[in-house]
Amino acid sequence: QVQLQESGPGLVKPSETLSLTCSVSGGSISVFHWSWIRQSAGKGLEWIGRISTTGSTSYNPSLKSRVTVSVDTSKNQLSLKLSSVTAADTAVYYCARDSKGLDVWGQGTTVTVSS
Amino acid sequence: DIQMTQSPSSLSASVGDRVTITCRASQTISSYLNWYQQKPGKAPKVLIYAASNLQNGVPSRFSGSGSGTDFTLTISGLQPEDFATYYCQQSYSTYTFGQGTKLEIK
Repeated sequence: QVQLQESGPGLVKPSETLSLTCSVSGGSISVFHWSWIRQSAGKGLEWIGRISTTGSTSYNPSLKSRVTVSVDTSKNQLSLKLSSVTAADTAVYYCARDSKGLDVWGQGTTVTVSS
Repeated sequence: DIQMTQSPSSLSASVGDRVTITCRASQTISSYLNWYQQKPGKAPKVLIYAASNLQNGVPSRFSGSGSGTDFTLTISGLQPEDFATYYCQQSYSTYTFGQGTKLEIK
């Protein structure tokens, strides 16, 4: 079955760009929609953005100016870029398949924004 | 943005109890409503999609209902493994989650 694995730097400096990758195994990335979600320590879930099978994207309005979600079909990978980060962007970041709800999730990767 | 409001924020119950969690959308979302369970240190797991459809592999004691703006998640006969935090999520437009309901053992 489909499995997801997030990867990327665990520490990012303020004002820099956070870049994460989600590697998809067990299936083609092209046939599903995909989302990124984050969760700050002790807090609830915050949806970041989504990319559809056609490459169409939609983003959380509160993050839209700073977020880019893309897919590399040759590598079967999903990516997230979040620019101009601050401490408020410190969180566990998850990628998820968007099918019957967000029905397959990665284990999550912790990103800390600090100098 | 569509706001999702869950109630209660926390709930204490005993094994065997029947519990209900509600989720209200700030505008109509038809049946574009999903429910998730999250345990500490783990990724969320979808329980119910499209308001009332049980995800494969999820025990039948979980059920969902509602449409429009008001939705419920019911757990009939709580089991020890059900103590967790539950979130609703709308997928009608740019997605939003409810704030969560923490279900604790009484």
